[in-house]
Amino acid sequence: QKEVEQNSGPLSVPEGAIASLNCTYSDRGSQSFFWYRQYSGKSPELIMSIYSNGDKEDGRFTAQLNKASQYVSLLIRDSQPSDSATYLCAPTRGDSSYKLIFGSGTRLLVRP
Amino acid sequence: DAMVIQNPRYQVTQFGKPVTLSCSQTLNHNVMYWYQQKSSQAPKLLFHYYDKDFNNEADTPDNFQSRRPNTSFCFLDIRSPGLGDAAMYLCATSSRTGSGYTFGSGTRLTVV
Repeated sequence: QKEVEQNSGPLSVPEGAIASLNCTYSDRGSQSFFWYRQYSGKSPELIMSIYSNGDKEDGRFTAQLNKASQYVSLLIRDSQPSDSATYLCAPTRGDSSYKLIFGSGTRLLVRP
Repeated sequence: DAMVIQNPRYQVTQFGKPVTLSCSQTLNHNVMYWYQQKSSQAPKLLFHYYDKDFNNEADTPDNFQSRRPNTSFCFLDIRSPGLGDAAMYLCATSSRTGSGYTFGSGTRLTVV
């Protein structure tokens, strides 16, 4: 079992739709959770962080966390073609407050 | 703006010829990381420095070494690059408080 599981995609949505990206993790000690966006050939860019159960909204992005189910998700509302990228889920390791474990990412394609 | 800078952006080296990649930061973060990322894969942690303390991952090949002469700079040395070492190398920094990583722009290494 991978430490962080993400559907590799591509997830294809039309412009203006809601994109839903999901992630499960195996380390029950993970405390902090991050979503990174990575454009092809570029480095990852932090777009969302979430630390407690529930929802956290920032502009068009909403992160959702359920620690009991070891599940974290990212919703992107009003998806734009510029959102087309790979989204990496990254929880902290249970034995560290700062080291992250990365999933291999979900590729999102927003169709104009 | 505070940032993480990697040089060079692209590096071509010959098989077996030592190569050094550099990273600098103006964020004054305690922790600096080196990741290797191959196409469509999760970033793989090679090692990190917590202040001056070096932490190697168990599966990082001996061919990879690192130096952190001061808080701002960190270097990745590949002693004898093989074709399998061609990848994007990502430098990242974080504070010790688990607020996520800031990545540099990465160095794309090609081995010929």
